[in-house]
Amino acid sequence: KNEVEQSPQNLTAQEGEFITINCSYSVGISALHWLQQHPGGGIVSLFMLSSGKKKHGRLIATINIQEKHSSLHITASHPRDSAVYICAPLGGSQGNLIFGKGTKLSVKP
Amino acid sequence: GAVVSQHPSWVICKSGTSVKIECRSLDFQATTMFWYRQFPKQSLMLMATSNEGSKATYEQGVEKDKFLINHASLTLSTLTVTSAHPEDSSFYICSGGARVYTDTQYFGPGTRLTVL
Repeated sequence: KNEVEQSPQNLTAQEGEFITINCSYSVGISALHWLQQHPGGGIVSLFMLSSGKKKHGRLIATINIQEKHSSLHITASHPRDSAVYICAPLGGSQGNLIFGKGTKLSVKP
Repeated sequence: GAVVSQHPSWVICKSGTSVKIECRSLDFQATTMFWYRQFPKQSLMLMATSNEGSKATYEQGVEKDKFLINHASLTLSTLTVTSAHPEDSSFYICSGGARVYTDTQYFGPGTRLTVL
């Protein structure tokens, strides 16, 4: 079983739709990152969460540490949101991130 | 936000040659930096943890004599792929943060290595 499970693996949405990506993990952690990777490969950390909820623009991330579950929501999705979204708990012995396989999001105009 | 640069952004080399990739933190000091590798359509995998002033810590299955890591200062870590082979062709990316357990991680833009 993977340490980090994301769902769905692929997601196609129409512009304006509300998007939810879920992440369940089994590694014991104190924090979790949501990352965005664009087709060129560059990665940006969208959120670092240790509890509750964070909001940045149209993006909302929530985490339940006890249940080891986190969600990323995108409101009013736009084609420029098309990317791979990666859930990455902080769980490695070196303080490193452990990566999910990612959710590929395509938002159609 | 903080910025991490990587150089080069892409490199093509012949089999058997060595390639050095630099990772710099531009506006913060990073005691620890991480090196990851990503093969097509796969998730990032940690290769090694680079520690300033001490030896790098390699993940299981990563050859330390093949992937040389030098963390020369608090703002520079280098990864050298020695005697590169076509199977080393991949996307290499580094990340760092001021404090790995409490601060966000900043990723370099990545280096795409192609070994012919």
